[in-house]
Amino acid sequence: SQLAEENSWALSVHEGESVTVNCSYKTSITALQWYRQKSGKGPAQLILIRSNEREKRNGRLRATLDTSSQSSSLSITATRCEDTAVYFCALYQGGRALIFGTGTTVSVSP
Amino acid sequence: GPKVLQIPSHQIIDMGQMVTLNCDPVSNHLYFYWYKQILGQQMEFLVNFYNGKVMEKSKLFKDQFSVERPDGSYFTLKIQPTALEDSAVYFCASSLGQPFNNQAPLFGEGTRLSVL
Repeated sequence: SQLAEENSWALSVHEGESVTVNCSYKTSITALQWYRQKSGKGPAQLILIRSNEREKRNGRLRATLDTSSQSSSLSITATRCEDTAVYFCALYQGGRALIFGTGTTVSVSP
Repeated sequence: GPKVLQIPSHQIIDMGQMVTLNCDPVSNHLYFYWYKQILGQQMEFLVNFYNGKVMEKSKLFKDQFSVERPDGSYFTLKIQPTALEDSAVYFCASSLGQPFNNQAPLFGEGTRLSVL
């Protein structure tokens, strides 16, 4: 089974709407990183949230972390067509390699 | 901003041949990584590398795989011999600090390897 999983395979919204991607994990972590990967590109860093943080914001992005339920969410407000991508959570396990989740495809249509 | 460069973007090779994937990491970064992604699937960790040594590797990092940074510049992944199941996109990443310092690796655009 996967150490990290996004809870939805795919989400579709219209421009201007908000969308939330959820991630659940099964191991202790020191931090969690959200990445975005557009088609044919490498993953791009979005937000890093540490295990002692509950919420982190970066512009239209907001990440939350609940270590008790081992879950995280990434919310995007006022979505744009260019937000269309696969969103991954990735786990830091205290010195070990970054482990990626399964990914959620977010499609934003005009 | 800083970038990790991977050239070429696509390599086609016959099964059984050797292939070397090249990565030009960010100049002051110290930690280097390779990930494998089969089309439409998640990023899978292969190996990380620091100070001339493999720090950690996954079960996907078969005996046919090797990594090195021969002249202190390019970080390479060599597969010898290649197998059909090695067909995937290989992403290189680098970071200034270690993962436990929560240094987010910066990824390249990937090299698509097609083994025929």
